[in-house]
Amino acid sequence: DVKVTQSSRYLVKRTGEKVFLECVQDMDHENMFWYRQDPGLGLRLIYFSYDVKMKEKGDIPEGYSVSREKKERFSLILESASTNQTSMYLCASSSGTANSYEQYFGPGTRLTVT
Amino acid sequence: AQSVTQLGSHVSVSEGALVLLRCNYSSSVPPYLFWYVQYPNQGLQLLLKYTSAATLVKGINGFEAEFKKSETSFHLTKPSAHMSDAAEYFCAVTSWNTDKLIFGTGTRLQVFP
Repeated sequence: DVKVTQSSRYLVKRTGEKVFLECVQDMDHENMFWYRQDPGLGLRLIYFSYDVKMKEKGDIPEGYSVSREKKERFSLILESASTNQTSMYLCASSSGTANSYEQYFGPGTRLTVT
Repeated sequence: AQSVTQLGSHVSVSEGALVLLRCNYSSSVPPYLFWYVQYPNQGLQLLLKYTSAATLVKGINGFEAEFKKSETSFHLTKPSAHMSDAAEYFCAVTSWNTDKLIFGTGTRLQVFP
């Protein structure tokens, strides 16, 4: 079974703090993704990565950055957290090979910025 | 460009009744389609997928979906709802030329006894 783990299930941070969200997958997947999920808006892609040290902006990258130093680990960074970044953050991975397009998700991190 | 529309942000059914969750897609290339389920405070779990083989796809927990190209639809059904089916359901689309999934806004299913 594919396993995607996220470092925290719940996180509370203050405005202006630097926040790190960690994601690790154990299936040697090439692709990794960060989404945020808000009621009524579904999942919105923040950043994704096709390979180590490679990253691509998604639909809502503003206020976020990412790091992928190892294949299995993909970190989301909020440089200076703001209250409008309070959300559920979901990490996912996929193999990137033909006929295997599905993504596997972690349990999510619910971030509250006060 | 690809997009997904899920009709109905909330659907309520009685236990034992038919479940029908609607999904329409837009894609300029042959699509690959997915349904995911999310239980409270959890991540998304793959229910089923269509990747250009059989148009009627069976998934976990008794769910199935039918790909209808003429209607650009991929509706999710289950003949008899169970209380444990209460969750949020997401339809998603991708294609051979991208690794990104485009998600719908979700449908929350409530099941009443």
